[in-house]
Amino acid sequence: EVQLVESGGGLVQPGGSLRLSCAASGFTFSSYSMNWVRQAPGKGLEWVSYISSSSSTIYYADSVKGRFTISRDNAKNSLYLQMNSLRAEDTAVYYCAREDIVVVPAAISYWFDPWGQGTLVTVSS
Amino acid sequence: SSELTQDPAVSVALGQTVRITCQGDSLRSYYASWYQQKPGQAPVLVIYGKNNRPSGIPDRFSGSSSGNTASLTITGAQAEDEADYYCNSRDSSGNHLYVFGTGTKVTVL
Repeated sequence: EVQLVESGGGLVQPGGSLRLSCAASGFTFSSYSMNWVRQAPGKGLEWVSYISSSSSTIYYADSVKGRFTISRDNAKNSLYLQMNSLRAEDTAVYYCAREDIVVVPAAISYWFDPWGQGTLVTVSS
Repeated sequence: SSELTQDPAVSVALGQTVRITCQGDSLRSYYASWYQQKPGQAPVLVIYGKNNRPSGIPDRFSGSSSGNTASLTITGAQAEDEADYYCNSRDSSGNHLYVFGTGTKVTVL
């Protein structure tokens, strides 16, 4: 079964740090790009960060650039998100999601599947 | 613009058809993918590419696209289809890699 399981969430004070992990199983982790997506309480989905299969390409949303660092360990089938200088507005459920892609003539399709169950990060004093 | 705009809420009678739309410039360059999210659960992929359903997704879910608009149609809506639905695509503006739609709450009456 293809599965992603996040961990590492919790309560942290503003300005603090937290490291999220995402354990992958059931597929060849090293062959896929991965993403972090978050959802603030009662709000919509927000893409946070992307890392290619070999870690050679990384992207961040402007809202976290310079504060968050995405990484992966293909030997451990694991994805990480190091979050520093946390703010109240970073409070959210954080999901890891596998990116998939298909290229056909004149079109490229991208999608996220599967998603983990999410881990809650609360930034509050 | 890197936004994907969806109607906040729609309702549909049990067994009837509902269409959810997603508008944005990025959809002229990329197909949208669609996700269903029920309260307290992670999003689930329901449509990707031109009109593809992952295994396990009922065939009452279908997708289409024209110009800057992508649509998700539920034909013969069931009570279990009541959920939030989000579209998503790569961001052609270059501002971000990906952008999500604002989300549509579907209520089945």
